[in-house]
Amino acid sequence: NAGVTQTPKFRVLKTGQSMTLLCAQDMNHEYMYWYRQDPGMGLRLIHYSVGEGTTAKGEVPDGYNVSRLKKQNFLLGLESAAPSQTSVYFCASTALDRGNQPQHFGDGTRLSIL
Amino acid sequence: DAKTTQPNSMESNEEEPVHLPCNHSTISGTDYIHWYRQLPSQGPEYVIHGLTSNVNNRMASLAIAEDRKSSTLILHRATLRDAAVYYCILRDVIIINTGTASKLTFGTGTRLQVTL
Repeated sequence: NAGVTQTPKFRVLKTGQSMTLLCAQDMNHEYMYWYRQDPGMGLRLIHYSVGEGTTAKGEVPDGYNVSRLKKQNFLLGLESAAPSQTSVYFCASTALDRGNQPQHFGDGTRLSIL
Repeated sequence: DAKTTQPNSMESNEEEPVHLPCNHSTISGTDYIHWYRQLPSQGPEYVIHGLTSNVNNRMASLAIAEDRKSSTLILHRATLRDAAVYYCILRDVIIINTGTASKLTFGTGTRLQVTL
């Protein structure tokens, strides 16, 4: 009963380093999303995917890339980390993207860029 | 983007009902009203959603005004475990080449404090 699993849970990077955040879901969901949450703020959508092999930009995509090579996995990449990308990153998934379907969230990856 | 307005914070005593209000005066006819909550150091958790009629589930009830411009999340008996930030969200539709997708726009929500 794992649901949405994010790895790693914590990471500290230096400016300019790169890394990949992994999101895995075991619910056979088609749609997956990456959000970021800054202190005291709500979540903002970075990128999303409507199925295997497809990705699209959300409202704050700059500095990030994503890939959905397998249906169950959605990867978020930071090519050259910047302090402004210090945040908590959440992944979510949903089966069918209709207005009445809930999104299921992971517990987040806490990322600090020094 | 569809907008919602919620109070920044609310307090409740344990075992008492809690009514969390949300205004969404620009709601369109097809927008579902979603509620999520976020416990400390966790991801958002789905609570309930509705379109026009009031809804009940094991976690909460959702009361929707007749004109749909406001709604209220009702926790019937608050417990310490219900202390969280509660988000009232309207689904935004994104037009993509294969149809549509959803965007959930999270505001700052209502921080609910529950005391003994």
